Amino acid sequence: DIVMTQFPDSLAVSLGERATINCKSSQSVLYSSNNKNYLAWYQQKRGQPPKLLISWASTRESGVPDRFSGSGSGTDFTLTISSLQAEDVAVYYCQQYYSTPDPYTFGQGTELEIK
Amino acid sequence: QVQLMQSGAEVKKPGSSVKVSCKASGDTFNTYTINWVRQAPGQGLEWMGRIIPFFHNTNYAQKFQGRVTITADKSTSTAYMELSSLRSEDTAVYYCARGSVEAAGMCDHWGQGTLVTVSS
Repeated sequence: DIVMTQFPDSLAVSLGERATINCKSSQSVLYSSNNKNYLAWYQQKRGQPPKLLISWASTRESGVPDRFSGSGSGTDFTLTISSLQAEDVAVYYCQQYYSTPDPYTFGQGTELEIK
Repeated sequence: QVQLMQSGAEVKKPGSSVKVSCKASGDTFNTYTINWVRQAPGQGLEWMGRIIPFFHNTNYAQKFQGRVTITADKSTSTAYMELSSLRSEDTAVYYCARGSVEAAGMCDHWGQGTLVTVSS
């Protein structure tokens, strides 16, 4: 299985400041035939199901604020929130969807709080 | 608007089975994959398996092989996840999630979740 490791496990950032979450995969999730990274980021607020924020490592889903951005390729990825808002308090997960039919594994999650 | 409506919470005895349903709206069943993901209390997300309803094609995570069965009823646009030989560690919220057309494992819409509690 592809192992996804996020760091840090938790993060406290002041309102209006930048938050950065990292995700590393145990093998590349870049599919060479289409040059796409099979990597997604999800946001999960307390008591809610996860919400897809970013697909293909850097494509923001419709309706997601532009303060959220994704970057990286191969095995190393980053989710950045450029100016933290109170409503961004959540747990964030990365996920690889490269491996088929092997499991689509998630990172362990990063808990983001307000400092 | 895409909606995935799951069945209600369940309390089960160890050793028994549970079957959770997920009813999809729209064109989901003709085009998309349904994934099942679980989340133990205070823990992260764990992918269990998927079904492509149009073809009744399934794949399961090795961890759950032999204990999980995912099915789909196209006539009612409902997917089911049945987990057998339940143990306390199976206590979790179980989610169904639609896999996108471009990539089956990319979950672009999620059900509200079903809490399954395994307790004697």
